[in-house]
Amino acid sequence: DGGITQSPKYLFRKEGQNVTLSCEQNLNHDAMYWYRQDPGQGLRLIYYSQIVNDFQKGDIAEGYSVSREKKESFPLTVTSAQKNPTAFYLCASSIDEGAKPQPQHFGDGTRLSIL
Amino acid sequence: QKEVEQDPGPLSVPEGAIVSLNCTYSNSAFQYFMWYRQYSRKGPELLMYTYSSGNKEDGRFTAQVDKSSKYISLFIRDSQPSDSATYLCAMSAGYALNFGKGTSLLVTP
Repeated sequence: DGGITQSPKYLFRKEGQNVTLSCEQNLNHDAMYWYRQDPGQGLRLIYYSQIVNDFQKGDIAEGYSVSREKKESFPLTVTSAQKNPTAFYLCASSIDEGAKPQPQHFGDGTRLSIL
Repeated sequence: QKEVEQDPGPLSVPEGAIVSLNCTYSNSAFQYFMWYRQYSRKGPELLMYTYSSGNKEDGRFTAQVDKSSKYISLFIRDSQPSDSATYLCAMSAGYALNFGKGTSLLVTP
């Protein structure tokens, strides 16, 4: 089955620690995205990538980093500089048709908590 | 003013009712509109994708866009307990999607 796999489902971070969230897709989509979802708030875009080896900051990129070395993989690192990392993190992907936005398909998320 | 406004609810209806979910927006450049359904502890699932104004129907779901009023709606006919979830609207003028905060829906048997 085609889809997006996020792992782990739950993750705990200690103070001063960096953690990496995994996102893999087998939909052959060019574009991939990371969102953060907090209670009572909409999804907020952290980073997105339209092509391998290229990515752009979203609205709340501070304290996060990403890489896109392979088309199917887009890991997100939550660094110690992110002072409020507790949230539900969602990865998404879509086909890329330039200026015409395509529906994004989501994984089932990783819930990150601070120890 | 946020670009996309959505009443968080919760909205509670009896099984079989017609449900109306709505979003308003302020950016007149938005042309692409989507509705997602999100179950607890899961990722959003795409329900409807529409371009510009008009209606689109898919089974029990109808999406309606009124660009003159900057207002979009999702109607669910013959609602079922399995429809209980959070419904997110999303819209875009170009590349990035702008999401509403979501409306929590509970359909009671």
